[in-house]
Amino acid sequence: KNEVEQSPQNLTAQEGEFITINCSYSVGISALHWLQQHPGGGIVSLFMLSSGKKKHGRLIATINIQEKHSSLHITASHPRDSAVYICAVNKPFGNEKLTFGTGTRLTIIP
Amino acid sequence: NAGVTQTPKFRILKIGQSMTLQCTQDMNHNYMYWYRQDPGMGLKLIYYSVGAGITDKGEVPNGYNVSRSTTEDFPLRLELAAPSQTSVYFCASFSVAGARNQPQHFGDGTRLSIL
Repeated sequence: KNEVEQSPQNLTAQEGEFITINCSYSVGISALHWLQQHPGGGIVSLFMLSSGKKKHGRLIATINIQEKHSSLHITASHPRDSAVYICAVNKPFGNEKLTFGTGTRLTIIP
Repeated sequence: NAGVTQTPKFRILKIGQSMTLQCTQDMNHNYMYWYRQDPGMGLKLIYYSVGAGITDKGEVPNGYNVSRSTTEDFPLRLELAAPSQTSVYFCASFSVAGARNQPQHFGDGTRLSIL
C-alpha cells in the first residue's frame, strides 16, 4: 500500500464547478505539499502545509493532522486549471525528501 | 531568475549508451534531488544531496550515479542505459537555511527514451 494515496485518480468537471481532491497518508509527516503539473510541463509547488488551512486565489488547501488527510479545493474552476495535482509529504528527519502520491488528473470542460 | 535548470529537455538513447542529465540551480540551495516519474506512478527519488560533496541513495538508485562538486550543480549519470530507465526525470532543490516552511523548486524535466 502506498504511503500517500490520492482520490480520485481522474476528475472531469464543467467550468465553474467547485473541485475537491483528496490526499490521505499513513505515516508521520513534518509537512504536506500540493503540486501542480501541466501536460508536458514542469512541476510547480502550490502549497506547503503543516497545519490548518491556506488560500491562494481560487485555491484552498486544508490538512487534518489527526485524521492524516488533506484536501485541495478549487473554486470557480476554469479550463486553465486542467492539470495533474500531486500530493507529497515530508517525513520527520528525512532530509526533506518527498514521498509522492500518484496524482489526480483534472480536466475542466468549457 | 532561472531557478532550477535541466538539460537536455528530450533525449533518445540506444541501449548500453551513457549520458549525463544536467541540473543547475541559482538559488544557493543546499539540498538537491533527482526524481523519476513513470506513467501511473508517483515520483520516485533516485539520489539526493544535502550539500556539496555529500550524496546519498534514494528509493531507486540502481543504474545511476551522481556527484555534487559545487552547490549549484547536481548531474545525474546513466552509465549503461536500459529500457527500464525510460522515464521523465526531474531535478529539485530546497533550502533549509532560515525558515523551514519553504517548498521544493522543480526543473522542467528531461524526457528520456531508451530504445
